[in-house]
Amino acid sequence: EDKVVQSPLSLVVHEGDTVTLNCSYEVTNFRSLLWYKQEKKAPTFLFMLTSSGIEKKSGRLSSILDKKELFSILNITATQTGDSAVYLCAIKGNYGQNFVFGPGTRLSVLP
Amino acid sequence: EAGVAQSPRYKIIEKRQSVAFWCNPISGHATLYWYQQILGQGPKLLIQFQNNGVVDDSQLPKDRFSAERLKGVDSTLKIQPAKLEDSAVYLCASSSDTQYFGPGTRLTVL
Repeated sequence: EDKVVQSPLSLVVHEGDTVTLNCSYEVTNFRSLLWYKQEKKAPTFLFMLTSSGIEKKSGRLSSILDKKELFSILNITATQTGDSAVYLCAIKGNYGQNFVFGPGTRLSVLP
Repeated sequence: EAGVAQSPRYKIIEKRQSVAFWCNPISGHATLYWYQQILGQGPKLLIQFQNNGVVDDSQLPKDRFSAERLKGVDSTLKIQPAKLEDSAVYLCASSSDTQYFGPGTRLTVL
């Protein structure tokens, strides 16, 4: 059974700090790994990773995938209160287009 | 590009009542998903459609939940009868390579 584990489950930091969120997975036929940000509504797409070692970057957020060790990290530098959200990791297998989600990391950024 | 539309946004019902949710995916997306997200957890897949066919409904409680996508576009998810533990946000999503979510329906069962 495909599985996604995220750590930590919650994190409290102060504005300006840098955070690293972790996602590890087990999947039979890996196709891609996706990161989402979820505030008080539906998840919004951040990154899709398919290849090891290639960093995806968007502003202060970046992410990288290690397909050998089966994990990904999401980095947020110079955090702001607006970064407070639940960050979800999901994997997509090759069978159909099924997505399996982790439990999320709840990030709280204090002023 | 219009996003995934869902209605209603909020619903409060009593246990044993019935409820239905509606979803209109992004135009051209053949794959549509319904997820249940309980507070503090990640989304759990209930059912996945490819056009109007079911790809995966292994986690759908079929004794009370049903879903259809008759013309391969809009979809409805129904719960009959509802239980207290069905209180959750019901998310609809559609995908090409990337998955996009609708705003969700927050269901409260009293």
